[in-house]
Amino acid sequence: AQSVTQPDIHITVSEGASLELRCNYSYGATPYLFWYVQSPGQGLQLLLKYFSGDTLVQGIKGFEAEFKRSQSSFNLRKPSVHWSDAAEYFCAVEKAAGNKLTFGGGTRVLVKP
Amino acid sequence: EAQVTQNPRYLITVTGKKLTVTCSQNMNHEYMSWYRQDPGLGLRQIYYSMNVEVTDKGDVPEGYKVSRKEKRNFPLILESPSPNQTSLYFCASSSRDGSLETQYFGPGTRLLVL
Repeated sequence: AQSVTQPDIHITVSEGASLELRCNYSYGATPYLFWYVQSPGQGLQLLLKYFSGDTLVQGIKGFEAEFKRSQSSFNLRKPSVHWSDAAEYFCAVEKAAGNKLTFGGGTRVLVKP
Repeated sequence: EAQVTQNPRYLITVTGKKLTVTCSQNMNHEYMSWYRQDPGLGLRQIYYSMNVEVTDKGDVPEGYKVSRKEKRNFPLILESPSPNQTSLYFCASSSRDGSLETQYFGPGTRLLVL
């Protein structure tokens, strides 16, 4: 069965510093890969997704993610974080179009002034 | 405005009292699903539906039922709720057309079962 691991439960970063959130998945083939953000008390918003093609994916709010097949990873990055980026971030994989999404446990990001 | 709506947003109930959480989308999406979110576990899929009258189990379907009689609606039914179903529930819909904005989540329903 497919699984998703986000090794970091919490990350604290200073405003203006760079951010990288790790995501590793376990699946035999290349799945569809997603990153979502959940602000406090809110629903989930899709940041970006990878289906195929260029392994560096650009998303909304200045985020990007890189798919590395050899490492089974899909890490999320942002060069300079803003206080509004404080939220919980979820990586998710999907085996095939129309199938179920499997989420990681989430990484909570705290931004220091 | 494209959106997924859920009702109610907050619900307190007692063990064994049947309840339904409604989900509706106005984007003519084929695919809809229900998730529950619990601390440290992320979101886990309960059920999903590929289209009208087509539903299938997700990772944690026990204790839940769904139906998809119309394209826009996908209600979640708890026939006999138990305290371990206390959670935050999200409905989602998607058109699978490949663009960035095709994944939509509802605002969530926070359920407490006493």
